[in-house]
Amino acid sequence: SSELTQDPAVSVALGQTVRITCQGDSLRSYYASWYQQKPGQAPVLVIYGKNNRPSGIPDRFSGSSSGNTASLTITGAQAEDEADYYCNSRDSSGNLWVFGGGTKLTVL
Amino acid sequence: QVQLVESGGGLVKPGGSLRLSCAASGFTFSDYYMSWIRQAPGKGLEWVSYISSSGSTIYYADSVKGRFTISRDNAKNSLYLQMNSLRAEDTAVYYCARDLYPSSSGWWGDWGQGTLVTVSS
Repeated sequence: SSELTQDPAVSVALGQTVRITCQGDSLRSYYASWYQQKPGQAPVLVIYGKNNRPSGIPDRFSGSSSGNTASLTITGAQAEDEADYYCNSRDSSGNLWVFGGGTKLTVL
Repeated sequence: QVQLVESGGGLVKPGGSLRLSCAASGFTFSDYYMSWIRQAPGKGLEWVSYISSSGSTIYYADSVKGRFTISRDNAKNSLYLQMNSLRAEDTAVYYCARDLYPSSSGWWGDWGQGTLVTVSS
């Protein structure tokens, strides 16, 4: 299996742009997906594939990838974006899935 | 609308067994791959197991392989997770999750509310 590494915590001023990163060897072969989780709630998919948003996800959320690093960018962060964010991808075998350790986003 | 409702969680002693269920509604269950994903208290997400729409393809995380068995009953619109030889480190909220599209994607667009499994003596 492979690992995905995320920074434990990131902060952003209200209305500013923040990038949350995820590193792992499997990201050279597979796109990451991103999940938002607020306290006491189930995760919500916010980005999948190259840079796709499920219905209902604001367009301030976007995804990108380069080499072994995937990024989730929130352009104009809002107070309601304060949450834990997890990246996810298949591992190098393609048959298993792995999550990053999560990044706690604080909106100041 | 899509609904996934897990049940079967509870307190079990180390070495014991438990069977989780996930009742699905609001979509054609037999078209979708399904997964179990867990989250230990205060910790991150961990993918546990994945089953294809027909049940013919199944994957497990290394941490549960040989102890857990995923299955589904498409006639009953239900997903199951049989958990044997439980350990303290299996303590977690277990989520049932549906793929975003009716094909294998590993993008989980719908999640249940979760059921808590506590393994303790």
